[in-house]
Amino acid sequence: NAGVMQNPRHLVRRRGQEARLRCSPMKGHSHVYWYRQLPEEGLKFMVYLQKENIIDESGMPKERFSAEFPKEGPSILRIQQVVRGDSAAYFCASSPQETGELFFGEGSRLTVL
Amino acid sequence: DQQVKQNSPSLSVQEGRISILNCDYTNSMFDYFLWYKKYPAEGPTFLISISSIKDKNEDGRFTVFLNKSAKHLSLHIVPSQPGDSAVYFCAASGDYGGSQGNLIFGKGTKLSVKP
Repeated sequence: NAGVMQNPRHLVRRRGQEARLRCSPMKGHSHVYWYRQLPEEGLKFMVYLQKENIIDESGMPKERFSAEFPKEGPSILRIQQVVRGDSAAYFCASSPQETGELFFGEGSRLTVL
Repeated sequence: DQQVKQNSPSLSVQEGRISILNCDYTNSMFDYFLWYKKYPAEGPTFLISISSIKDKNEDGRFTVFLNKSAKHLSLHIVPSQPGDSAVYFCAASGDYGGSQGNLIFGKGTKLSVKP
């Protein structure tokens, strides 16, 4: 049973470009969460999605960031017009239900030049 | 404003001895606490959790203690092994308006277990 799969593992973008990070949850999991970890910081919640629905986006920046979890395919975290401050590790997690343990992927490291 | 605080950025322990990692929280609405372990360049891995209706939960070498009145929890690892060297994150969730998967993480404590 494969774990949470994230790609790309590393992504380099120049300021103003778009970044797309993908996450495939564990088999049987329909709840997906995105977290961001800035250097020397803990993980910060961004958004919680179920299939085709955003349940909680209270941690998402108001502009440039969006997330989706379509009926078919992986969840996508999209960052438009990236800035240097977006450089971070972005972790996706999944769970079989809303409560309980989250299973994390290995993260996608975004570097904005 | 840090709602979950891990005041020790690092801890060094001798192999075979006990490691004690501490975590304080400020939000009395938190009712579920988790510890995650993270190796460099990997995602966090769930270690152990505790509900606010308990004051202790044990799983092998790992025990978590919760002191609700002090808003404090601790993770005990005994005996410590070199493979336990990692960053340990304390996390909390509860009925404070966020979804259950909206975990509030501390900044982590880097544990080094020396042979």
